[in-house]
Amino acid sequence: KNEVEQSPQNLTAQEGEFITINCSYSVGISALHWLQQHPGGGIVSLFMLSSGKKKHGRLIATINIQEKHSSLHITASHPRDSAVYICAVRSYNTDKLIFGTGTRLQVFP
Amino acid sequence: DTEVTQTPKHLVMGMTNKKSLKCEQHMGHRAMYWYKQKAKKPPELMFVYSYEKLSINESVPSRFSPECPNSSLLNLHLHALQPEDSALYLCASSHQGGTGAKSYEQYFGPGTRLTVT
Repeated sequence: KNEVEQSPQNLTAQEGEFITINCSYSVGISALHWLQQHPGGGIVSLFMLSSGKKKHGRLIATINIQEKHSSLHITASHPRDSAVYICAVRSYNTDKLIFGTGTRLQVFP
Repeated sequence: DTEVTQTPKHLVMGMTNKKSLKCEQHMGHRAMYWYKQKAKKPPELMFVYSYEKLSINESVPSRFSPECPNSSLLNLHLHALQPEDSALYLCASSHQGGTGAKSYEQYFGPGTRLTVT
């Protein structure tokens, strides 16, 4: 079993829909990252969370440390949001990130 | 400047060639990372440099040789690679030495797409 699980693996949506991507992890962490990767592209860090909730534009990320669960929400989705979204956690006192397998999102006009 | 740059963007090399990948950041970060990413897979950590010293080597074959000449620059020297080494090679950096979680946020470069023929 992977230490970081994401769901769904693939997601299609119509432009304007509200999207939720989930991440569950089984290790103790110091921080959780949400990353975005467009096809053939590099990785962009969207959020780093250690508690609570963060918002940036149409993106919202939440984390529940007790339940070891995080969600990434996209409001008013747009075709340019089409990308792979990766959840990654940093366990205590380490430089290593443990990555989820990613969620492939396609938003159609 | 909050950018990690990588050169070249694309590289095609033969199995007998020697080439190098370059990564640069000017954010004052003291930790730098090399990752390898195969298609439709998450990145795999290869090396970590902390304060210009190699701190993590994830049992990477010796045909990959990292180098950190100074705190802003990270190289990956490639020699006698195999076709299965074809992948996207990502560099990242983060602050080091702080006690807050912010000190460990990683900033990624755009990657070098390597093809070994």
